[in-house]
Amino acid sequence: EPEVTQTPSHQVTQMGQEVILRCVPISNHLYFYWYRQILGQKVEFLVSFYNNEISEKSEIFDDQFSVERPDGSNFTLKIRSTKLEDSAMYFCASSETGSNYGYTFGSGTRLTVV
Amino acid sequence: QKEVEQNSGPLSVPEGAIASLNCTYSDRVSQSFFWYRQYSGKSPELIMSIYSNGDKEDGRFTAQLNKASQYVSLLIRDSQPSDSATYLCAPAHSGGYQKVTFGIGTKLQVIP
Repeated sequence: EPEVTQTPSHQVTQMGQEVILRCVPISNHLYFYWYRQILGQKVEFLVSFYNNEISEKSEIFDDQFSVERPDGSNFTLKIRSTKLEDSAMYFCASSETGSNYGYTFGSGTRLTVV
Repeated sequence: QKEVEQNSGPLSVPEGAIASLNCTYSDRVSQSFFWYRQYSGKSPELIMSIYSNGDKEDGRFTAQLNKASQYVSLLIRDSQPSDSATYLCAPAHSGGYQKVTFGIGTKLQVIP
């Protein structure tokens, strides 16, 4: 069964450093998403991406965050200057048809900011 | 008002019993409704989707939707210890890039 692949599975970074989280969506999917989940809290929407541009973003997705699809397979989330409160599990998801039939999630990257 | 409301639990049921998970949502425009299962430390996994009022059955799972009451539920028959997880209710608007919004989830514990 096709999978969404995320790397790395765990990243530790110092406060103020830049991090890039990487995702390889399912190959025929057109819609891409980043969500995050702080420990013990709900899964929160960050951003959706379609046709090489951001479709929607949440209040969490401020100027410190950016997304990019640098080639035909990768989808990245960059955090420019990490804060302690950015520590969370970050999930990439993709969908062939958008929200209509749900998403497939990757296994996540656990980001720890120290 | 929260967009998606679920009882966080834990909901404990004995093995073999029916587990009933409930969810209310505030956005009347929502057209698609999903249930995801999330094991501790893992990513959400889509287990059911429902789009029309009424019931939809898939194996041991039945999703129920009442748009007038803005209520969606998930029944798990013959609960197994492997069903122990957090179940996330997730409504969405139809079409394209519309986001799926998750509730806090209900933690289900199936007691052997």
